[in-house]
Amino acid sequence: DVKVTQSSRYLVKRTGEKVFLECVQDMDHENMFWYRQDPGLGLRLIYFSYDVKMKEKGDIPEGYSVSREKKERFSLILESASTNQTSMYLCASTGDRTNYGYTFGSGTRLTVV
Amino acid sequence: AQSVTQLGSHVSVSEGALVLLRCNYSSSVPPYLFWYVQYPNQGLQLLLKYTTGATLVKGINGFEAEFKKSETSFHLTKPSAHMSDAAEYFCAVRRISSGSARQLTFGSGTQLTVLP
Repeated sequence: DVKVTQSSRYLVKRTGEKVFLECVQDMDHENMFWYRQDPGLGLRLIYFSYDVKMKEKGDIPEGYSVSREKKERFSLILESASTNQTSMYLCASTGDRTNYGYTFGSGTRLTVV
Repeated sequence: AQSVTQLGSHVSVSEGALVLLRCNYSSSVPPYLFWYVQYPNQGLQLLLKYTTGATLVKGINGFEAEFKKSETSFHLTKPSAHMSDAAEYFCAVRRISSGSARQLTFGSGTQLTVLP
């Protein structure tokens, strides 16, 4: 079964810490995405990547960065975590030949205290 | 620009009743439209999608949606609700941007409650 795997289901971090969220897909997909999900706001795009080492800002990139050194792995980095980054983070991927059908990971619920 | 509006952040139906979740979109290009479902503590799962061809699309778990260009709508229906349908549902539209990635724009979601 094809999968998108997020390394942690729950994380608790302190304000000011550097936080890494990891996402790995095994479908050889070109495109990978990071979203945050908050009640009443739906999914908001943070960053995306359409190829190795390529990255583009989404709608809410402030306070975040990303890394894609290998095709299967897309990392989201919170440079200095703040309480307003407490959220559910979802990773997704899709291939150039899958007609936009996304496969999502199970999500990481991050709490910043 | 492309956008999606889901009418009703919460919908309640009785078990066995019709499910109707509303989605309206705007798009400057022929739209690709999607419905995703999210069960508690899980990621999103694709229910169905419309890209081209037949405007009535059937998906998993007995759901279907009809693309109506004149109404710019893509409402999700199921004839008879089951308790296991309780979840959050998201409508999405293909997003055209300067980048190459296949981006989607998501609606704010509709929480479906099924009453016994």
